[in-house]
Amino acid sequence: ETGVTQSPTHLIKTRGQQVTLRCSSQSGHNTVSWYQQALGQGPQFIFQYYREEENGRGNFPPRFSGLQFPNYSSELNVNALELDDSALYLCASSGHRNAEAFFGQGTRLTVV
Amino acid sequence: GESVGLHLPTLSVQEGDNSIINCAYSNSASDYFIWYKQESGKGPQFIIDIRSNMDKRQGQRVTVLLNKTVKHLSLQIAATQPGDSAVYFCAEMGSSGQAGTALIFGKGTTLSVSS
Repeated sequence: ETGVTQSPTHLIKTRGQQVTLRCSSQSGHNTVSWYQQALGQGPQFIFQYYREEENGRGNFPPRFSGLQFPNYSSELNVNALELDDSALYLCASSGHRNAEAFFGQGTRLTVV
Repeated sequence: GESVGLHLPTLSVQEGDNSIINCAYSNSASDYFIWYKQESGKGPQFIIDIRSNMDKRQGQRVTVLLNKTVKHLSLQIAATQPGDSAVYFCAEMGSSGQAGTALIFGKGTTLSVSS
């Protein structure tokens, strides 16, 4: 177990809806990153938060947004869901930006 | 652009054999590399890492080799066990660029171990 927990584990949404995914980072970790993993592919970086500020962003549209809270937990919000947003969403936490990252078990999002 | 790839999508071995999983990376500025194991329905699990100032690092039953000249990484698993069956990803962390300190993953190699 990594100490990184994500909720919910599974979710089904309708195209056009909005979704919020949550992540609790490992104790003592101040950096959280979110990744999208399509079936059969490697995880793709969405964005990273360090001490409540967005620290970097991958090639994802603005309808993917996030937050990090003072306790370093984080949310990923996706608006106007599309069918292609169906994927496993992974949260990873690390003690600082250049340290090893530990992943949660992911949230499986299905958009119908 | 930056990319990390693996040479083989699948690898099948017998229990007890040694396994070698390869990875090529393209960004010569990358200074930190990690191997992850991902079992079905789970998030990636950290196996071993290596920084660019090293050529080799050993863990329990695993060894990572880094060849910066040809931008190649490999993961060696000794005495492979059925529990090692999973998808293995290499990931690189660049020291600069739009993605900051994000991990860039390859597509993965599926290791199947038969007993």
